[in-house]
Amino acid sequence: DADVTQTPRNRITKTGKRIMLECSQTKGHDRMYWYRQDPGLGLRLIYYSFDVKDINKGEISDGYSVSRQAQAKFSLSLESAIPNQTALYFCATSDLYGRDKGTDTQYFGPGTRLTVL
Amino acid sequence: GQQLNQSPQSMFIQEGEDVSMNCTSSSIFNTWLWYKQDPGEGPVLLIALYKAGELTSNGRLTAQFGITRKDSFLNISASIPSDVGIYFCSGFGNEKLTFGTGTRLTIIP
Repeated sequence: DADVTQTPRNRITKTGKRIMLECSQTKGHDRMYWYRQDPGLGLRLIYYSFDVKDINKGEISDGYSVSRQAQAKFSLSLESAIPNQTALYFCATSDLYGRDKGTDTQYFGPGTRLTVL
Repeated sequence: GQQLNQSPQSMFIQEGEDVSMNCTSSSIFNTWLWYKQDPGEGPVLLIALYKAGELTSNGRLTAQFGITRKDSFLNISASIPSDVGIYFCSGFGNEKLTFGTGTRLTIIP
């Protein structure tokens, strides 16, 4: 079984709709992240969380919100989706204090392809 | 935000050739990570570098953490078809990872 799972894998929605993307991990990691990937722009950080209830804005947080109610789950919401939020969304986890030598080696989920019409 | 310049943007090579790509930054990073992304999948970690000057290998892959802590390179020797994909460098600093824009590797039959 995959260590980091994302649901749904694909979603098509309309402008103005509320969308929630879910991420679950079985790695036992403290830190979780949401990234957005657009062609030619690489991965950009939306939000990150270092522990339950801890939320930090990333590079492009406008138009998004997140919730970290449990260590294993980190959800991303688009309150009112717009077409330029069409992208690939990735969740990632890391364990700063674990066996990854005290640094932020991140492990990614398979991604969610979101299309906003 | 921090920017990573990754080059080249794309490479077209023949099977068996060696590949080299690099990343440079205007900022110092504490860690450099190299990832590979296959179509429809998330990035997968290839090599992690933790110390300036460190040279690390993973099979046919070799990566180095630049002495200045502002650059890193990745080499792939004797490329094979499954090496096709997008390679991303990333640097860790200020509690965040910053990603390069990727190098798309295509192998010509």
